[in-house]
Amino acid sequence: GNSVTQMEGPVTLSEEAFLTINCTYTATGYPSLFWYVKYPGEGLQLLLKATKADDKGSNKGFEATYRKETTSFHLEKGSVQVSDSAVYFCALSDYPGNTPLVFGKGTRLSVIA
Amino acid sequence: DAGVIQSPRHEVTEMGQEVTLRCKPISGHNSLFWYRQTMMRGLELLIYFNNNVPIDDSGMPEDRFSAKMPNASFSTLKIQPSEPRDSAVYFCASSLWGESQPQHFGDGTRLSIL
Repeated sequence: GNSVTQMEGPVTLSEEAFLTINCTYTATGYPSLFWYVKYPGEGLQLLLKATKADDKGSNKGFEATYRKETTSFHLEKGSVQVSDSAVYFCALSDYPGNTPLVFGKGTRLSVIA
Repeated sequence: DAGVIQSPRHEVTEMGQEVTLRCKPISGHNSLFWYRQTMMRGLELLIYFNNNVPIDDSGMPEDRFSAKMPNASFSTLKIQPSEPRDSAVYFCASSLWGESQPQHFGDGTRLSIL
């Protein structure tokens, strides 16, 4: 079956530090890959996505590249801010169509000033 | 535009009681998903619907759980009878049907069974 593994948190960084959250996946087909984010007191929101190999998803300074050869979709940001403090979830869905998401366990990020 | 609306936001009830969680998807969306988040297992799919028809309920833990979608703008998830191990955050999400359409999540219902 499909599965997603992401690095365990919590991750604590100082403002302006570089962020990497690792995510690897196992899939029987050719999945689409997503990063979702949950800010305190808010619902899950889509942060970025990629649908085919070598695609780079980007949003709000965050980036992730779909690496088929390493089955990875690591999330990066060059300079984090306090407002980036949240829980980040890596997820996949089967291609094609809109099938349910399979999520990683989530990584809590705390950014301190 | 209104997002996915879930109610109640919080529910505390005693073991054995019936619990009903409600979800209103985004207007025009034709896929609806129920997920459950626990510390041990993370976010897991319970059931999903396309065009109001249940497609996969293999994630529903047992017969105590049931879900319905009587029309395109409303879905319920019912637990009867409830047990302490059902305590979790339950999320509803909706999307358009199509390749890699993003799912839009509600704020969740935090359920505590005493």
